[in-house]
Amino acid sequence: AQKVTQAQTEISVVEKEDVTLDCVYETRDTTYYLFWYKQPPSGELVFLIRRNSFDEQNEISGRYSWNFQKSTSSFNFTITASQVVDSAVYFCALSEPNEKLTFGTGTRLTIIP
Amino acid sequence: EPEVTQTPSHQVTQMGQEVILRCVPISNHLYFYWYRQILGQKVEFLVSFYNNEISEKSEIFDDQFSVERPDGSNFTLKIRSTKLEDSAMYFCASKEGVSNQPQHFGDGTRLSIL
Repeated sequence: AQKVTQAQTEISVVEKEDVTLDCVYETRDTTYYLFWYKQPPSGELVFLIRRNSFDEQNEISGRYSWNFQKSTSSFNFTITASQVVDSAVYFCALSEPNEKLTFGTGTRLTIIP
Repeated sequence: EPEVTQTPSHQVTQMGQEVILRCVPISNHLYFYWYRQILGQKVEFLVSFYNNEISEKSEIFDDQFSVERPDGSNFTLKIRSTKLEDSAMYFCASKEGVSNQPQHFGDGTRLSIL
């Protein structure tokens, strides 16, 4: 069975600080995909990034970066120079190819102006 | 950019009544999903649909639930006799046929059972 753990329930940081959201996953599959979704206060789910199990390259997109480490089954997400608009709940998720997403419990991030 | 559309955005229904939640997936997508999120909790998988049939369903998706793709564009979730605990946000998602593509979510329907 697949499982995603986001141990940080809530994080608050002051604007412009960097913040890292942790994600640890469990799966028996050798091929799988990892995702991060953002859920702003308006409630929709916004796709941020996808990683497949064979690609451990870290990725940077603007102020966002992701660190995938298969050895520790982690897929952490860092926001650099945080902004108030980053305030949201962030979900890490895992899936097999063409299968359902298994979500973590989410981390509520609050950026204090 | 194409998007998944869900209607209505908010549905209020009396307990015991039937409700149908509607979704229009992205047009070239082949995989369709329903998820729900009880207030303050994580997003939970309900059902996946591919090639005009259910490919997987969760324990939550009991006999009270059904899905249909009545035409080439709509994908509906029906709850036959709603219970108070069905109150949640329901998300529809769709995905292209290529396995590494992400699921794209609609904005959700907030279902409130009175």
